[in-house]
Amino acid sequence: GQQLNQSPQSMFIQEGEDVSMNCTSSSIFNTWLWYKQEPGEGPVLLIALYKAGELTSNGRLTAQFGITRKDSFLNISASIPSDVGIYFCAGQTQGGSEKLVFGKGTKLTVNP
Amino acid sequence: ETGVTQSPTHLIKTRGQQVTLRCSSQSGHNTVSWYQQALGQGPQFIFQYYREEENGRGNFPPRFSGLQFPNYSSELNVNALELDDSALYLCASSLAGDTQYFGPGTRLTVL
Repeated sequence: GQQLNQSPQSMFIQEGEDVSMNCTSSSIFNTWLWYKQEPGEGPVLLIALYKAGELTSNGRLTAQFGITRKDSFLNISASIPSDVGIYFCAGQTQGGSEKLVFGKGTKLTVNP
Repeated sequence: ETGVTQSPTHLIKTRGQQVTLRCSSQSGHNTVSWYQQALGQGPQFIFQYYREEENGRGNFPPRFSGLQFPNYSSELNVNALELDDSALYLCASSLAGDTQYFGPGTRLTVL
């Protein structure tokens, strides 16, 4: 099935460091979303982006919708132990309740 | 407000058997989408139900089928189970045109 290209696959960082991950696609998406999944849980929406070039923040998280509409990145500043989890990007051609196309995820480990 | 719930939490089946997974949507949501998440992968869209009708389907064979009930809860049925069907099955509910909220998933193991 269709998946987005997400990198890096995994990251091991020290508490307090900043983190950056990105997602690319061969297709255009009109909505980009970033989710976090913890063990035994479903994905939880962190940030949604609806417009090319848009930069949106949610606390220590910042995400951008690429100008070509084929990429997006997520930054986490001053990481803390509870940031541990798997981060997924997802795209939609229209948005809302339309099907989500996911990346393979970035597994983040934060050493205290 | 009750979130999305799924049952059972875990399930073990053998090849060739049939399985039914259940999802209760968040209060007020009329759309349910099902996703399959294999180990180490992102979720893959199976299908979506809106007002009891299938409203879009991903690249899954016909042995994956579903239902949505008048209260908007939903079932995912898989016939003739194969080893590759082992995965976390996620449902997500939404109000049509709005953000999808995921349940915790059902972990299916096929032996």
